[in-house]
Amino acid sequence: KAGVTQTPRYLIKTRGQQVTLSCSPISGHRSVSWYQQTPGQGLQFLFEYFSETQRNKGNFPGRFSGRQFSNSRSEMNVSTLELGDSALYLCASSPDRLSNTEAFFGQGTRLTVV
Amino acid sequence: AQSVAQPEDQVNVAEGNPLTVKCTYSVSGNPYLFWYVQYPNRGLQFLLKYITGDNLVKGSYGFEAEFNKSQTSFHLKKPSALVSDSALYFCAVRDYPNSGYALNFGKGTSLLVTP
Repeated sequence: KAGVTQTPRYLIKTRGQQVTLSCSPISGHRSVSWYQQTPGQGLQFLFEYFSETQRNKGNFPGRFSGRQFSNSRSEMNVSTLELGDSALYLCASSPDRLSNTEAFFGQGTRLTVV
Repeated sequence: AQSVAQPEDQVNVAEGNPLTVKCTYSVSGNPYLFWYVQYPNRGLQFLLKYITGDNLVKGSYGFEAEFNKSQTSFHLKKPSALVSDSALYFCAVRDYPNSGYALNFGKGTSLLVTP
């Protein structure tokens, strides 16, 4: 079974631009979550989608948005990029929203804003 | 509110010796606790989880974790460390349903196993 796939793996963008990251969950998984990982702040929750609906949102500005498609694939978008948005963005999928279910992570997209 | 603390930024251990990576948590409701490992330039790999039941949880690659409710701790252990265990380890808690489905991660502990 294929794991969580994130594309692209690496991105370099200029301040003020926008970027879209993609995540394909494990087949059959319906919940997709996004996390930002930086050396200073560690791993922070961005948002979670289930059945094409955003169920949770972390403490990030409105420049960060996402969506989920009917096949459970998800995208996140960051508009008006800032230098501080440079990070590893991780996508995780789960088969359901049961409290005891672990999340499976992709390898991440490393975004560098210059 | 939920939180996770990993008090050690780095743990050093000699190969063959037992290892412990510490984690304490704070949640409003029942804790759902997880351990993940991250190798350089990779995503997080799931190691084990505690839900309810036995306080000693066994996971992947010979790792286990001990849940202690009174001390609100969930320490990761391995009886005999390998050099290949060197990586970054994260403890995470899900405070469901209070904080939804999100995982709240600790800052991570870098484990270095020397030959």
